[in-house]
Amino acid sequence: AQRVTQPEKLLSVFKGAPVELKCNYSYSGSPELFWYVQYSRQRLQLLLRHISRESIKGFTADLNKGETSFHLKKPFAQEEDSAMYYCALSGGYQKVTFGTGTKLQVIP
Amino acid sequence: KAGVTQTPRYLIKTRGQQVTLSCSPISGHRSVSWYQQTPGQGLQFLFEYFSETQRNKGNFPGRFSGRQFSNSRSEMNVSTLELGDSALYLCASGGRSNTGELFFGEGSRLTVL
Repeated sequence: AQRVTQPEKLLSVFKGAPVELKCNYSYSGSPELFWYVQYSRQRLQLLLRHISRESIKGFTADLNKGETSFHLKKPFAQEEDSAMYYCALSGGYQKVTFGTGTKLQVIP
Repeated sequence: KAGVTQTPRYLIKTRGQQVTLSCSPISGHRSVSWYQQTPGQGLQFLFEYFSETQRNKGNFPGRFSGRQFSNSRSEMNVSTLELGDSALYLCASGGRSNTGELFFGEGSRLTVL
């Protein structure tokens, strides 16, 4: 079975402070990990995926297979980062399991 | 390129009724997935269709069903509605590479009274 855990429902940080959204997963094979984001009044969209190893909007995420984690990080939070963030895991064939989400609130 | 389109956007039903939701994927996408989104549970996977075949299924009762047509458009049906079925139902289409990258629609918000 595949499972994704996001322990924080809400994360509040001040503008300019570092951000770390936690994600742990459970999967017996080699998963693909993703972060999706939903801004207010917008549809859910892909932010980044671990195989791309890229930085999107200043966010990065490193897959740690030993700790089965895929935490999302940004060194300096911006107000426009306020959104709902979902960690997701794919075991293949488009079966994507999502975590329960973390609401990021950036305080001006 | 048009995005994923879901209809209707909002609907209200009463307990015991049934509902059908529709999803048109991005042109060229053959995979369509359905999710139920609620404040407490987040996104829960319902099922995924690829080329008219159900390829994956989540842990929902048999009241939840779906199908996909030859043009990749998909419908999901919920019969004998319960109050707990009130949720935002999201459809997502997948590209050709099976990478797990999903493109979501805006959802159909179902309220069961």
